[in-house]
Amino acid sequence: GENVEQHPSTLSVQEGDSAVIKCTYSDSASNYFPWYKQELGKGPQLIIDIRSNVGEKKDQRIAVTLNKTAKHFSLHITETQPEDSAVYFCAASIGSARQLTFGSGTQLTVLP
Amino acid sequence: DSGVTQTPKHLITATGQRVTLRCSPRSGDLSVYWYQQSLDQGLQFLIQYYNGEERAKGNILERFSAQQFPDLHSELNLSSLELGDSALYFCASSGTTGANVLTFGAGSRLTVL
Repeated sequence: GENVEQHPSTLSVQEGDSAVIKCTYSDSASNYFPWYKQELGKGPQLIIDIRSNVGEKKDQRIAVTLNKTAKHFSLHITETQPEDSAVYFCAASIGSARQLTFGSGTQLTVLP
Repeated sequence: DSGVTQTPKHLITATGQRVTLRCSPRSGDLSVYWYQQSLDQGLQFLIQYYNGEERAKGNILERFSAQQFPDLHSELNLSSLELGDSALYFCASSGTTGANVLTFGAGSRLTVL
């Protein structure tokens, strides 16, 4: 089955700096790659996603890049703010299967 | 509020017992997914239902079962509970916001003593 690896497990940045989280996946058939943000005591919330026919997608301060050849994708957060502090999960799914395989998560801390 | 409702929010029970977790999907979503989140295993896919029928199975133990009812709400039944079953159980639904897009509920925290 699909295996998703996520790095780093923890990341601390100064407010205003950029943060980058990277994921690799194993199954070349995967074609949907979402990123979720999980705040303490809450469920994961979708923040951005990308499909395999697109190399990059941006939404305000958040961007995701996808390299299908290398089977990796990354989340970029610019101008970080304290409210960006949370656990971020990458995920991948195959075709119409829809169930997601998640990475192990990254605890992002934005220091004021 | 994501639109996915899970009850109860917290549940404390003893080993060997049985519990039922309930999920109401977003209005219009036909698919329901159950995930288990534990400290050492991350978010693990358990099972998916689509319009009342089982669609896919993941790492779900035989002691666990689920169903989706005609009104599309779903229940996850956990029996013969063990200490290691303590975890957050999340329900997610999909359908109205596009293929593959899962919306998660706030979770049910199960503690087995």
